[in-house]
Amino acid sequence: DAGVIQSPRHEVTEMGQEVTLRCKPISGHNSLFWYRQTMMRGLELLIYFNNNVPIDDSGMPEDRFSAKMPNASFSTLKIQPSEPRDSAVYFCASSLAGTHTPFGSGTRLTVV
Amino acid sequence: GESVGLHLPTLSVQEGDNSIINCAYSNSASDYFIWYKQESGKGPQFIIDIRSNMDKRQGQRVTVLLNKTVKHLSLQIAATQPGDSAVYFCAERVGYSTLTFGKGTMLLVSP
Repeated sequence: DAGVIQSPRHEVTEMGQEVTLRCKPISGHNSLFWYRQTMMRGLELLIYFNNNVPIDDSGMPEDRFSAKMPNASFSTLKIQPSEPRDSAVYFCASSLAGTHTPFGSGTRLTVV
Repeated sequence: GESVGLHLPTLSVQEGDNSIINCAYSNSASDYFIWYKQESGKGPQFIIDIRSNMDKRQGQRVTVLLNKTVKHLSLQIAATQPGDSAVYFCAERVGYSTLTFGKGTMLLVSP
């Protein structure tokens, strides 16, 4: 079991550019979560999917953020256009109902 | 202006000591709890979980205690090692909803 896989590990981009973060959940898990972690706010839930369907996106900060899960083995989080205040570590996690929630290693995003 | 980040509570212990990390959770309806460990530059890593029908659960060198009366969760680490140095988060959940994370406690272990 390779765990939750995220790419890239690090991303540095200029303000205004589009950024796409990727996640491969653990095979068989039916829920997928995107979190953002900053020193200011700690760990925040952005959005979660159940069976590839977005269930709660109330944590998505604004319309510049969007997330998709086209199939059970892949999800993306897109920021367009990116801003310096989006700089953070973005984590993906997955779970199967009733079990704990493993996290990926995260993507450290820096917007300059 | 100056930015203010989260000021994490910090627990400093000596190697070999037992550590106790505490967490007050917010929702009396929460029925599932997890402790995560996060090392610098890594994602949160599952340590141990407990359901609300239990008040104690033991793992390898770790014990989680749950007191539902006062909504309190604790993580005990026996014979703490330098490799245990990390930020520890508690998380709570109601049914199959999403996890709500606490702010975290930094554990520093001195050799």
